[in-house]
Amino acid sequence: DTGVSQDPRHKITKRGQNVTFRCDPISEHNRLYWYRQTLGQGPEFLTYFQNEAQLEKSRLLSDRFSAERPKGSFSTLEIQRTEQGDSAMYLCASSLDPGQGYEKLFFGSGTQLSVL
Amino acid sequence: EDKVVQSPLSLVVHEGDTVTLNCSYEVTNFRSLLWYKQEKKAPTFLFMLTSSGIEKKSGRLSSILDKKELFSILNITATQTGDSAVYLCAVRRDTNAGKSTFGDGTTLTVKP
Repeated sequence: DTGVSQDPRHKITKRGQNVTFRCDPISEHNRLYWYRQTLGQGPEFLTYFQNEAQLEKSRLLSDRFSAERPKGSFSTLEIQRTEQGDSAMYLCASSLDPGQGYEKLFFGSGTQLSVL
Repeated sequence: EDKVVQSPLSLVVHEGDTVTLNCSYEVTNFRSLLWYKQEKKAPTFLFMLTSSGIEKKSGRLSSILDKKELFSILNITATQTGDSAVYLCAVRRDTNAGKSTFGDGTTLTVKP
């Protein structure tokens, strides 16, 4: 399977715990994005990477959220001291460089986080 | 801040009907508008539009962009139950900007 894969598919945690999600993009894609989606809403941008460089981070993103893409391949998203409001679907997407005309995003199936 | 508004929020039709989904936007330095279909988890790409008045078509689906009036429509003819999904509209700024800004989607339900 050469699509975007995310792990785990589901995560249930208690408030105050830290969680980490992983995303493996399509191998030749140099851009990787994280989005968050809650029921009835569209995906909300969190951050994106070009290769290993994190180029943009949403102003709405709290300091409890951090993302890395250490070797320009897979990425991790960590949420520290989780709160109930963090419960959402976390979607990862990848793409080629839009400057070359490759605008569309390829999404993974997401990680559903439930904070109790 | 970029803004995308989709209407209607939800729609219920019967197989064979034709539907029109709407997307209006406000974005600085518009680059492109994209439509995605989200059936369960992962949104999948449908169309990308960059120029006004040029219709993109794929089977029973088609889409067109009006850059003057800042909106796009997605048409689905002869709907089938497999068309039931959330349809998302997103806009992108210039080529170096990373994020796509999404609307909240239109939930389409096609009944047999």
